[in-house]
Amino acid sequence: NAGVTQTPKFQVLKTGQSMTLQCAQDMNHNSMYWYRQDPGMGLRLIYYSASEGTTDKGEVPNGYNVSRLNKREFSLRLESAAPSQTSVYFCASSPLAGGNEQFFGPGTRLTVL
Amino acid sequence: AQTVTQSQPEMSVQEAETVTLSCTYDTSESNYYLFWYKQPPSRQMILVIRQEAYKQQNATENRFSVNFQKAAKSFSLKISDSQLGDTAMYFCAFSDGQNFVFGPGTRLSVLP
Repeated sequence: NAGVTQTPKFQVLKTGQSMTLQCAQDMNHNSMYWYRQDPGMGLRLIYYSASEGTTDKGEVPNGYNVSRLNKREFSLRLESAAPSQTSVYFCASSPLAGGNEQFFGPGTRLTVL
Repeated sequence: AQTVTQSQPEMSVQEAETVTLSCTYDTSESNYYLFWYKQPPSRQMILVIRQEAYKQQNATENRFSVNFQKAAKSFSLKISDSQLGDTAMYFCAFSDGQNFVFGPGTRLSVLP
């Protein structure tokens, strides 16, 4: 039981390049989330998927797209990376949206030059 | 929109002593959930404690307890008998069932 896994752990991109961050959970959770963590700002929600087949914007969705591939997997795509997207990205899952605890992956440190 | 404020960017405490981290939030909802998460240097986010707003009794988990004041919209975390392993960033978080909002965090250092 690996919980929430994320790949890659580290990534360096040049401005304008694209990439996809992968997230998978093996806890049969319905809801999944993508956050970014910047110094002094806590975690900010980018997108979430309350259940398989649905996705919704969070607080900071601009420059990102997501895909809920199936119940296990939720990917985050940067189509044209910008230096402002340099951050640590966390994926999380919970049994249901709302009041349940969220279980977090180990994070991806992304640097955009 | 809901907001979560943590007014103490950094705190320190001597090993074995007690420390309290502050958190206030703003919401017009009556039903919601509050959380404290810990993020050690490993970067892994770990749930410390959870409180449901409709419960008047303060949540407790071993050395961790909260002081939940619903009218004041305050949700502080008390750590008793602090240990070196408690050194971490602590985030207060709010959920109304649709939105999940984190505070900016408090960096806690436990000193030997």
